This record gives sequence, C-alpha cells and structure tokens, in this order.
Amino acid sequence: ILNVEQSPQSLHVQEGDSTNFTCSFPSSNFYALHWYRWETAKSPEALFVMTLNGDEKKKGRISATLNTKEGYSYLYIKGSQPEDSATYLCAFNTKAAGNKLTFGGGTRVLVKP
Amino acid sequence: DAGVIQSPRHEVTEMGQEVTLRCKPISGHDYLFWYRQTMMRGLELLIYFNNNVPIDDSGMPEDRFSAKMPNASFSTLKIQPSEPRDSAVYFCASSLSTDTQYFGPGTRLTVL
Repeated sequence: ILNVEQSPQSLHVQEGDSTNFTCSFPSSNFYALHWYRWETAKSPEALFVMTLNGDEKKKGRISATLNTKEGYSYLYIKGSQPEDSATYLCAFNTKAAGNKLTFGGGTRVLVKP
Repeated sequence: DAGVIQSPRHEVTEMGQEVTLRCKPISGHDYLFWYRQTMMRGLELLIYFNNNVPIDDSGMPEDRFSAKMPNASFSTLKIQPSEPRDSAVYFCASSLSTDTQYFGPGTRLTVL
C-alpha cells in the first residue's frame, strides 16, 4: 500500500508550455524526498534529493520545492520539450526507515510537439 | 564507472523453473536494493543490503524468493519455483550511505 501520492497520474503538455505536479507524503518523521525521472524502457534516473523544509533545487529547466510541514513537493518543468516526456517518480524515507524508500505511483508526462 | 549492471536483461521461463537474477553495484557503494515493478503495485522494494548484510526483507513476497550478497560487488535474487504472477521488471539499485540510489537497467522476467 502506497502512502505517497502523486497527482495527476498523467498529463499532456504542449511543447513550450510550463507545467507542474505534486507529490504528497506523510509529514511526520520526514527525512528526505527524492525525485526520479523514468523514461520508457530505461531505468529511473535521480533528479533531486531534498531534506530541508523550504528547499528548492534546480536542474536545467526542471526545479522542485519541498514543504515538509504540510507534506508535499512540487516539480516544475519550464518550457517543456519532447525529451521531457517521461514518468516522474517521487519517493520519501523517514529516519527510522533508513535507506528504505517508499515510491509514489508517478506522474506520466507527455510533451506534444 | 559503468553504473549498476544487471543480467540477464530479459528472461523468459516456464512456470516451476528456477530463475536467478544478478546484480553488480557501483564500486564503493555500501547499499544494494532489489525492486520489482508491476502495473498493479508500481515500484516496490523487495530487500536491501548494507555492507553485504540483509537489513530489511519485509518486501519479499514469499519463501519462493531469496536474495544473497556474498561480496560487495555481487548480489543475486532467486525465485524457485517461479510462477506467472512473478512476471515483472526487477531492478537493482545501489547507493553510498543514505544518498541517491542509482538504478540498473532492470531485468524483464516473463514466466509462462
């Protein structure tokens, strides 16, 4: 049973448009929040690891914010390109869980040319 | 570094057969993870090791599944006997301490 929720499950974006989506997780005993990018027929690729409330990370046109008090993170894609099409996974872990990540179901992004 | 290496990439077998999946983690990483990806359950952790020692195997579905890590550079996940419901993509990942996990290319298992 997943207690990490991602929404929406999928979205279509026109090339050049910006978009964002959400990852919700339990706020108690938070340790770290991970974002992964997963292209079809490939393996998940790490984007960000975020630990502090208010953290904001950026990698090219992709950025993420973190709110540990209310238990959510946003991932933003600015000026979407067809190569951004992928499933974006978030995962979190608690200090007690150590290195054990719980993954959300992912948001599948399709960028239309 | 070559990244996490998994073999085979694809495996097709018949119900009842033994299946062994292999993983070579990134050199120097002290954590190794085995995941299974299915449409129904998404990406779920089966077991993970720290310094070759199994830490948490609560995700292993049943006794038909076993995993070993005889040394820092090799791990196996074995299914015996295999069943059609074991069909999935199995990923191995490794990390240094509690840092980012790096995933291998996965093994697509089909049990007929």
